[in-house]
Amino acid sequence: AQSVTQLGSHVSVSEGALVLLRCNYSSSVPPYLFWYVQYPNQGLQLLLKYTSAATLVKGINGFEAEFKKSETSFHLTKPSAHMSDAAEYFCAVSDGDKLSFGAGTTVTVRA
Amino acid sequence: EPEVTQTPSHQVTQMGQEVILRCVPISNHLYFYWYRQILGQKVEFLVSFYNNEISEKSEIFDDQFSVERPDGSNFTLKIRSTKLEDSAMYFCASRMTDNSNQPQHFGDGTRLSIL
Repeated sequence: AQSVTQLGSHVSVSEGALVLLRCNYSSSVPPYLFWYVQYPNQGLQLLLKYTSAATLVKGINGFEAEFKKSETSFHLTKPSAHMSDAAEYFCAVSDGDKLSFGAGTTVTVRA
Repeated sequence: EPEVTQTPSHQVTQMGQEVILRCVPISNHLYFYWYRQILGQKVEFLVSFYNNEISEKSEIFDDQFSVERPDGSNFTLKIRSTKLEDSAMYFCASRMTDNSNQPQHFGDGTRLSIL
């Protein structure tokens, strides 16, 4: 079975600072990886996906993630945090027909 | 942009009662899913559904749970006799194909509270 682990349940950054959210995967086959964001009282919105076409993936709202096979990682970054980035972020991996999610990382942005 | 819609947004039910959660997947999608998220825990897979049949289900999805596509647009999750531990946020998702590289599109969820 495929799985992901998110390091850090909570990240606090200053507005304008780098956002770095960590995700490591465990997969016996080349993985398909996703980052989703959940704003308060909303559903899961796709930020970006890795499907082996390129190791650096750009998503919505200025986020990007880099797939590193040697480190089994798919960390999410944004160069400059905005107040509107406050949300919970989930890394997920395709596990057959379903998605297997990480525990999530809550991001707070300080003014 | 097409969306997955879920109703109601919040459901409060007495323990032991039946509850039906409703979802309208994106119209040209063929593969449908239910997930749940107990407060403070991971999003967990419950069931996948295609061509009017369950494709896969987790160990959480026991005999108390059932899914149905009663017409061409709705996809429902029924819990026959609710328990306190069924309290969670339930998410419906859909996608066009079963290719693992295709993302699933999620609704806003139904928060189920069992009293």
